[in-house]
Amino acid sequence: KNQVEQSPQSLIILEGKNCTLQCNYTVSPFSNLRWYKQDTGRGPVSLTIMTFSENTKSNGRYTATLDADTKQSSLHITASQLSDSASYICVLSGGSYIPTFGRGTSLIVHP
Amino acid sequence: DAGVIQSPRHEVTEMGQEVTLRCKPISGHNSLFWYRQTMMRGLELLIYFNNNVPIDDSGMPEDRFSAKMPNASFSTLKIQPSEPRDSAVYFCASSLGDGSSYEQYFGPGTRLTVT
Repeated sequence: KNQVEQSPQSLIILEGKNCTLQCNYTVSPFSNLRWYKQDTGRGPVSLTIMTFSENTKSNGRYTATLDADTKQSSLHITASQLSDSASYICVLSGGSYIPTFGRGTSLIVHP
Repeated sequence: DAGVIQSPRHEVTEMGQEVTLRCKPISGHNSLFWYRQTMMRGLELLIYFNNNVPIDDSGMPEDRFSAKMPNASFSTLKIQPSEPRDSAVYFCASSLGDGSSYEQYFGPGTRLTVT
């Protein structure tokens, strides 16, 4: 069964600090991996997308990495801001037309 | 474009009542997805439409749930009769193609509370 596991489940950091969120997956075959940001009370919004052949993708202060050999991805947030407080969801798309969602990491940034 | 539009944003109903959630996808998108999100289970796909035709409804929990897409600009998700365990946030998403190759754009969700 295709699975996407995210860690930690929740994280609290101080404004200005960096953090890294993890995503381990068993989806196979694998076509692309997305990270979504979901603000409280809103729908998820795409941050980055990487294909199998890419190993890093940046979007401003967000940098996603992918290691297809170990089936791991990470999302690194640099110089965190209060607006980064949200849930971050890792999503894998394999051979099926239906993506597999992780349960997300809840990030809280304190001033 | 206004993005994916969902209504209502909040719905509170009593157990046993019928609930209808509505979705207007982004114009030009030919795929539409209904999801349910809870703290315990995260996002779960309920049903996927392509060109207004239901392709996969294996995620629909039981016969109390039904979904329709009468045209390219409108879809409904109906729960009848509703139960307290149906309480969740229901998202509609649309994309230019299938959910694997194309990005899905999510609506703001409908928060359903069944008492």
